[in-house]
Amino acid sequence: EIVLTQSPGTLSLSPGERATLSCRASQSFTTDYLVWYQQKPGQAPRLLIYDTSNRATGVPHRFSGSGSGTDFTLTISRLEPEDFAVYYCQQYETSLTFGGGTKVEMK
Amino acid sequence: DVQLVQSGAEVKKPGESLKISCKASGYTFTSFWIAWVRQMPGKGLEWLGIMYPGDSDTRYNPSFQGQVTISADKSTTTAYMHLISLKASDTAMYYCARFIWFGGDERGYFDYWGQGTLATVS
Repeated sequence: EIVLTQSPGTLSLSPGERATLSCRASQSFTTDYLVWYQQKPGQAPRLLIYDTSNRATGVPHRFSGSGSGTDFTLTISRLEPEDFAVYYCQQYETSLTFGGGTKVEMK
Repeated sequence: DVQLVQSGAEVKKPGESLKISCKASGYTFTSFWIAWVRQMPGKGLEWLGIMYPGDSDTRYNPSFQGQVTISADKSTTTAYMHLISLKASDTAMYYCARFIWFGGDERGYFDYWGQGTLATVS
């Protein structure tokens, strides 16, 4: 089973700042089969990024994904108030597993 | 628009069973896999199983095999998740989601989600 480790656990930032979230896999990927979800309190997760770097429908351009091998990154270029949430990565390189999440909180 | 609308909150006692429904609309129900995902209070996401309503092909997370059954009614475009032998630790939010399948056993991701159903076992 591929284990995904997300870091940091919590990121404290201010609106307008850049957020960089990490997702590290326990084994190297041969594909780009990694997605990112955003979950706000009391809401279902929402697909943000699929296949490592493709934005889902309606996702703002300030969200971008990158990475390969074992290291993947979600970047939010300039945080908007509505971006403070928990973010999960999930792989489908082999079966499917989720990371533990990173909470982006307002400083 | 793709919509997944789940049934309402449930309160159960230990040992009872739970059945949650998920009404799909806005897409061809039999052409996409449907999945169930659990989120325990304050915790992360776990997949329970996936099903292809077109032919009822079903795959389960080994961690939940034997406890969960997924089914679907094509005539009403509704998927169901049945969980038996409930324990207090099954208290969670349960989500249905449309699953984009990439082949293999359960390779894929979830592109649309239901609103969630809170199940409390106490």
